[in-house]
Amino acid sequence: GAGVSQSPSNKVTEKGKDVELRCDPISGHTALYWYRQSLGQGLEFLIYFQGNSAPDKSGLPSDRFSAERTGGSVSTLTIQRTQQEDSAVYLCASSLMANTGELFFGEGSRLTVL
Amino acid sequence: AQKITQTQPGMFVQEKEAVTLDCTYDTSDQSYGLFWYKQPSSGEMIFLIYQGSYDEQNATEGRYSLNFQKARKSANLVISASQLGDSAMYFCAMREMNDYKLSFGAGTTVTVRA
Repeated sequence: GAGVSQSPSNKVTEKGKDVELRCDPISGHTALYWYRQSLGQGLEFLIYFQGNSAPDKSGLPSDRFSAERTGGSVSTLTIQRTQQEDSAVYLCASSLMANTGELFFGEGSRLTVL
Repeated sequence: AQKITQTQPGMFVQEKEAVTLDCTYDTSDQSYGLFWYKQPSSGEMIFLIYQGSYDEQNATEGRYSLNFQKARKSANLVISASQLGDSAMYFCAMREMNDYKLSFGAGTTVTVRA
Protein backbone atom coordinates (compact mmCIF):
# COMPACT_ATOMS: atom_id res chain seq x y z
CA GLY A 1 0.00 0.00 0.00
CA ALA A 2 0.95 3.63 -0.32
CA GLY A 3 0.62 4.59 3.34
CA VAL A 4 2.30 3.70 6.61
CA SER A 5 1.34 0.20 7.64
CA GLN A 6 1.29 -1.04 11.23
CA SER A 7 0.68 -4.47 12.68
CA PRO A 8 -0.98 -5.81 14.64
CA SER A 9 -3.85 -3.36 14.74
CA ASN A 10 -4.89 -4.78 18.10
CA LYS A 11 -2.92 -6.75 20.65
CA VAL A 12 -4.13 -8.05 23.98
CA THR A 13 -1.48 -9.53 26.21
CA GLU A 14 -0.95 -10.57 29.77
CA LYS A 15 1.17 -8.60 32.17
CA GLY A 16 4.77 -9.74 32.02
CA LYS A 17 4.70 -10.91 28.40
CA ASP A 18 6.81 -9.40 25.64
CA VAL A 19 5.21 -7.76 22.60
CA GLU A 20 6.50 -6.66 19.22
CA LEU A 21 4.85 -3.95 17.15
CA ARG A 22 5.76 -3.52 13.51
CA CYS A 23 5.81 -0.47 11.26
CA ASP A 24 6.30 -0.40 7.51
CA PRO A 25 6.85 3.21 6.43
CA ILE A 26 6.11 4.84 3.12
CA SER A 27 8.65 3.71 0.55
CA GLY A 28 11.52 6.17 0.26
CA HIS A 29 10.88 7.87 3.58
CA THR A 30 14.15 8.07 5.48
CA ALA A 31 12.77 9.25 8.80
CA LEU A 32 10.59 7.06 11.02
CA TYR A 33 8.97 7.95 14.34
CA TRP A 34 7.21 6.10 17.14
CA TYR A 35 4.68 7.88 19.33
CA ARG A 36 2.43 6.63 22.11
CA GLN A 37 -1.10 7.85 22.73
CA SER A 38 -2.92 6.96 25.92
CA LEU A 39 -6.72 7.06 25.91
CA GLY A 40 -7.98 10.55 25.10
CA GLN A 41 -4.52 12.05 25.42
CA GLY A 42 -1.98 13.72 23.19
CA LEU A 43 0.94 12.05 21.50
CA GLU A 44 4.05 11.19 23.45
CA PHE A 45 7.25 10.94 21.42
CA LEU A 46 9.17 7.71 21.92
CA ILE A 47 11.97 7.38 19.38
CA TYR A 48 13.08 8.54 15.97
CA PHE A 49 15.10 6.83 13.25
CA GLN A 50 17.10 8.41 10.48
CA GLY A 51 17.91 5.52 8.23
CA ASN A 52 18.73 2.61 10.53
CA SER A 53 20.13 4.68 13.37
CA ALA A 54 18.25 6.18 16.29
CA PRO A 55 19.92 9.47 17.24
CA ASP A 56 17.60 10.03 20.18
CA LYS A 57 16.16 7.30 22.38
CA SER A 58 15.43 9.59 25.32
CA GLY A 59 11.67 9.36 24.81
CA LEU A 60 11.55 5.66 25.58
CA PRO A 61 9.76 5.37 28.98
CA SER A 62 11.98 2.63 30.41
CA ASP A 63 14.62 0.08 29.48
CA ARG A 64 11.81 -2.38 28.81
CA PHE A 65 11.23 -0.51 25.57
CA SER A 66 13.51 -0.92 22.57
CA ALA A 67 13.24 -0.37 18.85
CA GLU A 68 15.16 -1.19 15.76
CA ARG A 69 14.96 -0.45 12.09
CA THR A 70 16.47 -2.59 9.38
CA GLY A 71 17.25 -1.88 5.75
CA GLY A 72 16.15 1.71 6.22
CA SER A 73 12.57 0.47 6.09
CA VAL A 74 10.65 -1.70 8.55
CA SER A 75 10.84 -0.88 12.24
CA THR A 76 9.95 -2.99 15.27
CA LEU A 77 9.08 -1.61 18.69
CA THR A 78 9.55 -4.20 21.42
CA ILE A 79 8.13 -3.95 24.91
CA GLN A 80 9.48 -6.50 27.36
CA ARG A 81 7.71 -7.62 30.53
CA THR A 82 4.64 -5.54 29.72
CA GLN A 83 2.87 -3.63 32.46
CA GLN A 84 -0.70 -2.37 32.58
CA GLU A 85 0.51 1.21 32.19
CA ASP A 86 1.91 0.24 28.78
CA SER A 87 -1.66 -0.02 27.49
CA ALA A 88 -2.01 2.62 24.76
CA VAL A 89 -2.11 3.12 21.03
CA TYR A 90 1.34 3.05 19.51
CA LEU A 91 1.54 5.22 16.42
CA CYS A 92 4.23 5.04 13.78
CA ALA A 93 4.92 7.86 11.33
CA SER A 94 7.35 8.49 8.52
CA SER A 95 8.56 11.48 6.59
CA LEU A 96 10.62 11.93 3.47
CA MET A 97 13.42 13.52 5.44
CA ALA A 98 13.98 14.47 9.02
CA ASN A 99 13.24 18.04 10.17
CA THR A 100 11.20 18.91 7.13
CA GLY A 101 7.66 18.32 5.98
CA GLU A 102 4.74 16.69 7.64
CA LEU A 103 4.65 13.27 9.24
CA PHE A 104 2.48 10.58 7.70
CA PHE A 105 0.95 8.34 10.32
CA GLY A 106 -0.17 4.75 10.34
CA GLU A 107 -3.44 3.70 11.94
CA GLY A 108 -1.70 2.58 15.09
CA SER A 109 -1.40 -0.58 17.14
CA ARG A 110 -3.71 -0.70 20.14
CA LEU A 111 -2.04 -2.54 23.00
CA THR A 112 -4.02 -3.77 25.97
CA VAL A 113 -2.14 -5.32 28.88
CA LEU A 114 -4.36 -7.31 31.23
CA ALA B 1 7.84 22.73 29.95
CA GLN B 2 4.86 22.33 27.69
CA LYS B 3 5.72 23.46 24.19
CA ILE B 4 2.20 23.34 22.77
CA THR B 5 -0.88 24.37 24.73
CA GLN B 6 -4.42 23.68 23.62
CA THR B 7 -6.75 25.04 26.28
CA GLN B 8 -10.06 23.79 24.88
CA PRO B 9 -10.61 20.12 25.71
CA GLY B 10 -13.91 20.00 23.84
CA MET B 11 -16.07 22.19 21.65
CA PHE B 12 -19.50 21.99 20.05
CA VAL B 13 -20.27 23.72 16.78
CA GLN B 14 -23.39 23.91 14.66
CA GLU B 15 -23.20 22.50 11.16
CA LYS B 16 -22.25 25.14 8.55
CA GLU B 17 -20.80 27.48 11.17
CA ALA B 18 -17.13 28.31 11.67
CA VAL B 19 -15.08 27.18 14.65
CA THR B 20 -11.73 28.38 15.96
CA LEU B 21 -9.39 26.03 17.82
CA ASP B 22 -6.79 27.68 19.99
CA CYS B 23 -3.11 26.80 20.04
CA THR B 24 -0.24 28.61 21.71
CA TYR B 25 3.35 27.51 21.58
CA ASP B 26 6.59 28.13 23.38
CA THR B 27 9.95 28.30 21.64
CA SER B 28 13.04 30.47 21.62
CA ASP B 29 13.89 29.43 18.08
CA GLN B 30 13.42 31.88 15.22
CA SER B 31 12.76 29.12 12.72
CA TYR B 32 10.02 26.61 13.39
CA GLY B 33 7.00 25.00 11.80
CA LEU B 34 3.46 24.61 13.06
CA PHE B 35 1.14 21.78 12.07
CA TRP B 36 -2.46 20.81 12.61
CA TYR B 37 -3.67 17.22 12.49
CA LYS B 38 -7.15 15.73 12.64
CA GLN B 39 -7.82 12.42 14.39
CA PRO B 40 -11.29 10.94 13.74
CA SER B 41 -12.66 8.18 15.92
CA SER B 42 -11.02 5.67 13.60
CA GLY B 43 -7.69 6.77 15.08
CA GLU B 44 -5.72 7.77 11.99
CA MET B 45 -3.83 11.07 12.13
CA ILE B 46 -4.61 13.24 9.12
CA PHE B 47 -2.38 16.21 8.27
CA LEU B 48 -4.41 19.36 7.68
CA ILE B 49 -2.25 22.44 7.37
CA TYR B 50 1.27 23.82 7.90
CA GLN B 51 2.62 27.27 8.76
CA GLY B 52 6.31 28.17 8.71
CA SER B 53 7.54 30.81 11.11
CA TYR B 54 8.85 32.93 8.27
CA ASP B 55 5.69 32.69 6.19
CA GLU B 56 4.20 36.14 5.96
CA GLN B 57 0.75 35.00 4.95
CA ASN B 58 -1.56 32.80 6.93
CA ALA B 59 -1.78 29.28 5.53
CA THR B 60 -5.04 28.11 3.99
CA GLU B 61 -6.14 24.69 2.75
CA GLY B 62 -9.72 24.53 1.56
CA ARG B 63 -11.97 25.09 4.57
CA TYR B 64 -8.98 25.19 6.93
CA SER B 65 -7.03 28.33 7.69
CA LEU B 66 -4.38 29.04 10.25
CA ASN B 67 -4.52 32.33 12.12
CA PHE B 68 -0.81 32.86 12.81
CA GLN B 69 0.07 35.58 15.30
CA LYS B 70 3.82 35.31 15.75
CA ALA B 71 4.24 37.94 18.45
CA ARG B 72 1.61 36.22 20.57
CA LYS B 73 2.99 32.75 19.72
CA SER B 74 -0.45 31.72 18.62
CA ALA B 75 -1.46 29.42 15.75
CA ASN B 76 -5.22 28.99 15.85
CA LEU B 77 -7.00 26.73 13.39
CA VAL B 78 -10.19 28.01 11.80
CA ILE B 79 -12.58 25.52 10.22
CA SER B 80 -15.18 27.25 8.09
CA ALA B 81 -18.59 25.87 7.11
CA SER B 82 -18.38 22.93 9.55
CA GLN B 83 -19.56 19.55 8.37
CA LEU B 84 -20.62 16.51 10.37
CA GLY B 85 -17.47 14.77 9.16
CA ASP B 86 -15.36 17.39 10.92
CA SER B 87 -16.22 15.81 14.27
CA ALA B 88 -12.85 14.60 15.52
CA MET B 89 -9.94 15.39 17.79
CA TYR B 90 -7.62 18.11 16.53
CA PHE B 91 -3.97 18.38 17.47
CA CYS B 92 -1.61 21.32 17.13
CA ALA B 93 2.08 20.44 16.78
CA MET B 94 5.41 22.20 16.39
CA ARG B 95 8.80 21.32 15.01
CA GLU B 96 11.61 23.56 16.20
CA MET B 97 14.69 24.54 14.24
CA ASN B 98 17.01 21.60 13.53
CA ASP B 99 14.68 19.26 15.39
CA TYR B 100 13.37 16.09 13.90
CA LYS B 101 10.23 15.35 15.85
CA LEU B 102 6.89 17.06 16.21
CA SER B 103 5.76 18.02 19.70
CA PHE B 104 1.99 17.75 20.08
CA GLY B 105 -0.55 19.48 22.23
CA ALA B 106 -3.19 17.65 24.25
CA GLY B 107 -5.80 18.09 21.55
CA THR B 108 -9.30 19.56 21.23
CA THR B 109 -12.35 17.42 20.57
CA VAL B 110 -14.78 19.01 18.12
CA THR B 111 -18.36 17.80 17.84
CA VAL B 112 -20.41 19.15 14.96
CA ARG B 113 -24.16 19.21 15.58
CA ALA B 114 -26.74 18.93 12.80
